[in-house]
Amino acid sequence: DTEVTQTPKHLVMGMTNKKSLKCEQHMGHRAMYWYKQKAKKPPELMFVYSYEKLSINESVPSRFSPECPNSSLLNLHLHALQPEDSALYLCASSPRTTEGEKLFFGSGTQLSVL
Amino acid sequence: RKEVEQDPGPFNVPEGATVAFNCTYSNSASQSFFWYRQDCRKEPKLLMSVYSSGNEDGRFTAQLNRASQYISLLIRDSKLSDSATYLCVVNANTGGFKTIFGAGTRLFVKA
Repeated sequence: DTEVTQTPKHLVMGMTNKKSLKCEQHMGHRAMYWYKQKAKKPPELMFVYSYEKLSINESVPSRFSPECPNSSLLNLHLHALQPEDSALYLCASSPRTTEGEKLFFGSGTQLSVL
Repeated sequence: RKEVEQDPGPFNVPEGATVAFNCTYSNSASQSFFWYRQDCRKEPKLLMSVYSSGNEDGRFTAQLNRASQYISLLIRDSKLSDSATYLCVVNANTGGFKTIFGAGTRLFVKA
């Protein structure tokens, strides 16, 4: 069983909706990540938080807004999404953001934008 | 050229077969290497790290060839449950931490 918990597992939203994805880990990891994955493609990095501070934003559109309230929680706020944003959104954590770190993924949120 | 390249497959093999996947990477500054397994509509899960000396975990053996910049994964005695996509992952420190996923190799093991 994964030790990274994501909610909700499935989400359907309209282009004018505002929703949030949530991620929680209790492994004491200090780095947390958001990835986006389209079908039959590898995960694409969106954001990295290191010690609760945003360290990497991979030029993600502003309709995606990350938030790290504390070392265990990571949110992704969604607003005015487009149908092409439909994908599996994966949260991951690792002990730190140094090379060699193994990623632990949550089970993901399957998002459909109508 | 992609930073991490894998043969997408699919590889269709019978139960009990031995199958090998290769992955090449372009950044010689790459420092750590992993194989992840991903089932359909599920999250990637770490299968094993890859070391220069080679490492084995049960039926799975991983090798790293730094000179040729490729890594490999060998699966012996394939099981139906091995059917999945295998992702090659490379970490490099090029002025900043960067994790790069290969596109994945799909494996189907048939009875």
